[in-house]
Amino acid sequence: QKEVEQNSGPLSVPEGAIASLNCTYSDRGSQSFFWYRQYSGKSPELIMFIYSNGDKEDGRFTAQLNKASQYVSLLIRDSQPSDSATYLCAPGRTSYGKLTFGQGTILTVHP
Amino acid sequence: GAVVSQHPSRVICKSGTSVKIECRSLDFQATTMFWYRQFPKQSLMLMATSNEGSKATYEQGVEKDKFLINHASLTLSTLTVTSAHPEDSSFYICSASLTENEQFFGPGTRLTVL
Repeated sequence: QKEVEQNSGPLSVPEGAIASLNCTYSDRGSQSFFWYRQYSGKSPELIMFIYSNGDKEDGRFTAQLNKASQYVSLLIRDSQPSDSATYLCAPGRTSYGKLTFGQGTILTVHP
Repeated sequence: GAVVSQHPSRVICKSGTSVKIECRSLDFQATTMFWYRQFPKQSLMLMATSNEGSKATYEQGVEKDKFLINHASLTLSTLTVTSAHPEDSSFYICSASLTENEQFFGPGTRLTVL
């Protein structure tokens, strides 16, 4: 079993729709969960992090965490073509700051 | 926000040479920096954790004698790829921890070994 699993996609949504990205992880010791966005040829940029069970909203982005199910998701509302990128899920342990990245989900938002 | 720089952004070298990549945290001090490698269409793979003033901790399967890491100050970590070969061609990315959990990535260095 992989440490972090994401649907590689590609996930294609029309502009204005909600994009839903999912991630499961195997390390029950994970305390913090990060979503990074990576454009082709660029390095990842942090878009959200979540520590507690439930939802966390930041602008058009909502992260959802369920530690019992070892599941974290990212919703992007009102998707824009500029959201087209690879989204990486990365659980981490607070004591080290070490992150394990999933393979990423390729999102394409078409006009 | 936290800014991390890398230099060079792109390097092409001949097989057998060594290449040094610098990672700097520009507006904060980072006791911990991380080095990742990313091959085309693959995710980031952590190579090593670099702590200021101590030896780096390497991930399983990463040769510490081939990938030399030095973290000489709270704002600078260097990765030296020694005796580079074509299979070392990759996108090398560093990150620096602002807090225990927030990591910010440098822009990456694309290494091509001929």
